[in-house]
Amino acid sequence: DTGVSQNPRHKITKRGQNVTFRCDPISEHNRLYWYRQTLGQGPEFLTYFQNEAQLEKSRLLSDRFSAERPKGSFSTLEIQRTEQGDSAMYLCASTRRGGDSNTGELFFGEGSRLTVL
Amino acid sequence: AQSVSQHNHHVILSEAASLELGCNYSYGGTVNLFWYVQYPGQHLQLLLKYFSGDPLVKGIKGFEAEFIKSKFSFNLRKPSVQWSDTAEYFCAVNGGGGFKTIFGAGTRLFVKA
Repeated sequence: DTGVSQNPRHKITKRGQNVTFRCDPISEHNRLYWYRQTLGQGPEFLTYFQNEAQLEKSRLLSDRFSAERPKGSFSTLEIQRTEQGDSAMYLCASTRRGGDSNTGELFFGEGSRLTVL
Repeated sequence: AQSVSQHNHHVILSEAASLELGCNYSYGGTVNLFWYVQYPGQHLQLLLKYFSGDPLVKGIKGFEAEFIKSKFSFNLRKPSVQWSDTAEYFCAVNGGGGFKTIFGAGTRLFVKA
């Protein structure tokens, strides 16, 4: 499968613990996005990378959240000192700059579901 | 602020009924518009998109959408739904540079067999 891959698919943690999610985008895609989705809502933008550069961060992304894409390939999203309000599905998407991809069509992974107890 | 509004959160139809899901957006400047679909147990995937040209765009599985610039709308339509169309549908918009895509809250469609 050459789609966007995310892991772990599910994570249950206790409040106050740190968690890290990984996203492997489609190999030729140079833009990578993180979204958060809660029940009954659409995906909410968190941040995005073009290659290894983080170009925009949402105000939703508190200082407990950090994302990296060190070599412009895979990305990690870390949440420190988790809170119950962090429980959500974390979605990764990628797209290719140039050509049709100037429209920003997103290719999504399956998501990583976080439950904070 | 940029936003997308979907008119219905839940829609229940019988097979062969016609479908129209409303979507309005608030975004200054050139826009690209999308409908994404999430079938049960699957990831979000593109249904159709508009970025220029004919405002009536056709997507997969018989879906189409019409961009009406004066109304800031991009409604999704299908003349005759099938049970397999049961899914959640998301309207989305980004600016002409295609950087950040904003999604609506989604419409959950259930089609009765």
